[in-house]
Amino acid sequence: SQQGEEDPQALSIQEGENATMNCSYKTSINNLQWYRQNSGRGLVHLILIRSNEREKHSGRLRVTLDTSKKSSSLLITASRAADTASYFCATVLNYGNNRLAFGKGNQVVVIP
Amino acid sequence: DADVTQTPRNRITKTGKRIMLECSQTKGHDRMYWYRQDPGLGLRLIYYSFDVKDINKGEISDGYSVSRQAQAKFSLSLESAIPNQTALYFCATSRGNSYNEQFFGPGTRLTVL
Repeated sequence: SQQGEEDPQALSIQEGENATMNCSYKTSINNLQWYRQNSGRGLVHLILIRSNEREKHSGRLRVTLDTSKKSSSLLITASRAADTASYFCATVLNYGNNRLAFGKGNQVVVIP
Repeated sequence: DADVTQTPRNRITKTGKRIMLECSQTKGHDRMYWYRQDPGLGLRLIYYSFDVKDINKGEISDGYSVSRQAQAKFSLSLESAIPNQTALYFCATSRGNSYNEQFFGPGTRLTVL
């Protein structure tokens, strides 16, 4: 079953605005990752946050993790048209064989 | 050069045909995965392999089989293709650590008529 659930499902913003999307999960995790997928292409890893971390930055990306609420958010600042893509969160559980469980994805459209 | 390659990129076939999708990687990773993506359902794991002698079923392995021919090669077969196997298929690789950051191929779009 899918571990991550993103919210909102679709987001349309103007270039230069910030985009925020959320992800919730159900069980204890080792880490949570965000991936980007441009239309019909393979997923690209963006950022990983470990369960003992609360916030992480990478360029224009900011990820937060709240393990008490079992949720994460991805913020893209100063969005660009090239940020138009689907964004997926994925979790690695604390037990088992470290498989990734993907959410259903957020579609983000950045209007130039 | 792409680190993870998939062939073919597109394939149209008929119900009942046997199809093989191939994946090769130059990343030197031990772990390889096959996923399928359907609109609105995200990615679902079909099979995964942690090394050449290790093959494991994922969430949706029925109707599929795999072969890990070498560290760098992992192929997915549809034994008798059916229309509901029409989907986008991705191969991915990862290092053998607990973080499991994955690297994806460009995908194969498969249509079963």
